Amino acid sequence: RKEVEQDPGPFNVPEGATVAFNCTYSNSASQSFFWYRQDCRKEPKLLMSVYSSGNEDGRFTAQLNRASQYISLLIRDSKLSDSATYLCVVNSNQAGTALIFGKGTTLSVSS
Amino acid sequence: GAVVSQHPSRVICKSGTSVKIECRSLDFQATTMFWYRQFPKKSLMLMATSNEGSKATYEQGVEKDKFLINHASLTLSTLTVTSAHPEDSSFYICSARDQWGQNTGELFFGEGSRLTVL
Repeated sequence: RKEVEQDPGPFNVPEGATVAFNCTYSNSASQSFFWYRQDCRKEPKLLMSVYSSGNEDGRFTAQLNRASQYISLLIRDSKLSDSATYLCVVNSNQAGTALIFGKGTTLSVSS
Repeated sequence: GAVVSQHPSRVICKSGTSVKIECRSLDFQATTMFWYRQFPKKSLMLMATSNEGSKATYEQGVEKDKFLINHASLTLSTLTVTSAHPEDSSFYICSARDQWGQNTGELFFGEGSRLTVL
């Protein structure tokens, strides 16, 4: 089983749609979780951290289920500018030296 | 927010030559920086952890003699791809954490360096 698994997509949705991405991780000792966004040929940028209680930032909602080792990202009211690859990232230790990246899920929002 | 600068952004070289990539933290000190490699449509793979003032820690399967890392100061780490071959062509990205920043889990990435070896 891969350490961090994501559905690669692509997800093709119209503007205004709601889309959900899922991610599973294999290391039950993982301590922190993130969603990064990567635009084509650019560096990844932090979108949001994922907390056990779930957290929301505008149109974006992240959820964590430690028992199932599952992370999700929900994007509401999709915009054209949301088109990108979304990377699920898991940090297995406090030193931050064990950041494991999923392969990413590609989202394409069309008008 | 914290900024990491990487240079050069793009380099084309002949097989057998060496290429140096610089990674700088611009407004914070980073005792640790990370070097990743990303092949097309693949995830970022950690190559090594660069430690200021000491030897880098390499991930399994990464040749330390081929990918030389030097972290001479708290704001600069360099990756040198020695005797580059076409299979070394890839997108190399560095990153660092602002240990004293608000979100200590956040990694700030350089812009990446796209290496093409002919």
